[in-house]
Amino acid sequence: GQNIDQPTEMTATEGAIVQINCTYQTSGFNGLFWYQQHAGEAPTFLSYNVLDGLEEKGRFSSFLSRSKGYSYLLLKELQMKDSASYLCAVRDSNYQLIWGAGTKLIIQP
Amino acid sequence: ETGVTQTPRHLVMGMTNKKSLKCEQHLGHNAMYWYKQSAKKPLELMFVYSLEERVENNSVPSRFSPECPNSSHLFLHLHTLQPEDSALYLCASSQDHGAGANVLTFGAGSRLTVL
Repeated sequence: GQNIDQPTEMTATEGAIVQINCTYQTSGFNGLFWYQQHAGEAPTFLSYNVLDGLEEKGRFSSFLSRSKGYSYLLLKELQMKDSASYLCAVRDSNYQLIWGAGTKLIIQP
Repeated sequence: ETGVTQTPRHLVMGMTNKKSLKCEQHLGHNAMYWYKQSAKKPLELMFVYSLEERVENNSVPSRFSPECPNSSHLFLHLHTLQPEDSALYLCASSQDHGAGANVLTFGAGSRLTVL
């Protein structure tokens, strides 16, 4: 079966750096997405990786290793507003999106 | 108004009621989706419409009935639901369905409680 694994919950300190990991086993690969979802709000797109390597976008970066079935989302200079759930999703060979259950990130002062 | 708008934001219904969820997108996208989001579970894709035609139906019970009258509007008709159907129902749209990045734009969801 197809599976996406990510930690259920993480806690970090304001101003610090946190890395949220995502591992996947899917039938083929056509890209990996990260979305952010604040409580009671819509998920919003953060990043898309289809080739190996690091994509940087301001305070957020996303890394992909297709050979290892692994990605991470790196958040720098954490702010209180970064408290949210982070969803990892992989598009398989049929262009179906396979979702992880999300990582709830709690930022402490 | 821009983006994806869902109404109502909250809905409480009995198991014998009939209600509908509405989704509207003003992005000119060609594909629209219904997802179910339950606590601590992955998003479950329910239905996909591309150019107003249903292209996927992921073994969803018949008590959920989608309708896509045009490319901007999507409905989810609900009847004789069960308490386990209580969840957040998310609507999303993307430029197209299938190959390509096709980033999803989500609505804020309709929180459904079935008593």
